[in-house]
Amino acid sequence: AQKITQTQPGMFVQEKEAVTLDCTYDTSDPSYGLFWYKQPSSGEMIFLIYQGSYDQQNATEGRYSLNFQKARKSANLVISASQLGDSAMYFCAMRVAGAQKLVFGQGTRLTINP
Amino acid sequence: GAVVSQHPSRVICKSGTSVKIECRSLDFQATTMFWYRQFPKQSLMLMATSNEGSKATYEQGVEKDKFLINHASLTLSTLTVTSAHPEDSSFYICSAIRTGLYTEAFFGQGTRLTVV
Repeated sequence: AQKITQTQPGMFVQEKEAVTLDCTYDTSDPSYGLFWYKQPSSGEMIFLIYQGSYDQQNATEGRYSLNFQKARKSANLVISASQLGDSAMYFCAMRVAGAQKLVFGQGTRLTINP
Repeated sequence: GAVVSQHPSRVICKSGTSVKIECRSLDFQATTMFWYRQFPKQSLMLMATSNEGSKATYEQGVEKDKFLINHASLTLSTLTVTSAHPEDSSFYICSAIRTGLYTEAFFGQGTRLTVV
């Protein structure tokens, strides 16, 4: 079975600072994908970044980067130069090869303070 | 990116009535869609997998007679909450899967259901 763990229920960060949201995962499948989603108060799920288990380099998308440490089974999201609009729930998710459903972590509520 | 439209975004219904929520993939065909339920400040809980042309697969603990899922076409899945009660009040969100070179999940905007 696959499992995603996000141990930070809430994070508070000053605007313009960088923030790291933790995510650890557990799977016995060697082929999998890791995702991060942002969910603002409106409820929509916004895809941020993807990391494949065989990718050699850490994924980056603009201000988002994924610190992928395969041996430690962690896939932390790093947001650089945080903005007020980054305040939202953030979910880490995993999908194993051959499956289509995503398994989500508990989420982290990020609050950016001015 | 691909668009998934979920309707309605909000609905209030009386206890005992049924409510239908639609999930449409607007610019791609989706053989598979997923329905999630989300309680306040909690994660998304997978309710069922909706497969076009076949019966939905429900997760353990989800009442299939209460949450009816129909996936009659490659672009539309519906979730009907039958005989709704206040405890069914929640945020429901669908996800449509686009397959090809990559398998991608696209989410609807979600539906906030309030049963009074």
